Amino acid sequence: RKEVEQDPGPFNVPEGATVAFNCTYSNSASQSFFWYRQDCRKEPKLLMSVYSSGNEDGRFTAQLNRASQYISLLIRDSKLSDSATYLCVVKEYSGGGADGLTFGKGTHLIIQP
Amino acid sequence: DAGITQSPRYKITETGRQVTLMCHQTWSHSYMFWYRQDLGHGLRLIYYSAAADITDKGEVPDGYVVSRSKTENFPLTLESATRSQTSVYFCASSESPYQPQHFGDGTRLSIL
Repeated sequence: RKEVEQDPGPFNVPEGATVAFNCTYSNSASQSFFWYRQDCRKEPKLLMSVYSSGNEDGRFTAQLNRASQYISLLIRDSKLSDSATYLCVVKEYSGGGADGLTFGKGTHLIIQP
Repeated sequence: DAGITQSPRYKITETGRQVTLMCHQTWSHSYMFWYRQDLGHGLRLIYYSAAADITDKGEVPDGYVVSRSKTENFPLTLESATRSQTSVYFCASSESPYQPQHFGDGTRLSIL
């Protein structure tokens, strides 16, 4: 059974701090990885794709560790607007491909002033 | 830019009624998806479609029917609604199965 596990939190972090959270996946055949952000009662929105070599987008850095089967998200200089739920998404290549998408249940982040 | 739109945004209906949720995308994406999101379960795939007239079951397809006669539309029908189908429903689309998916605003469905 494909599983993606995340610490649900909440993570309560003061504004300006750095916060990191991980996501583990069970299927070693997983090939694509993404972080999505979801605000309360809104749709998930793509935050960033995660590449094997790691990648950065402004204050956000994503890392992939295939050997240990986890991905991470680091947020530097956190802003109040970063408060949201962060969803880890893992995808494997298989046949038609579409059924390989698995969402974690999300990590809830609260940035406090 | 609309991109992908869902209607209605909110719907209240009674058990046993048929209800159809609409999804329309303007990107000409081949792939479209329907998810439901419930507390404690996260997002679960109901059905997906790789192209017009091609659909397949996801993780939780029971009680739902889909069709895709045109690339841009992917309606989801609850043939006889049950209370357990009260949920938030999201439609998504992507250019290929390996690309990120883009989501509509969601439909909040309550079944009394």
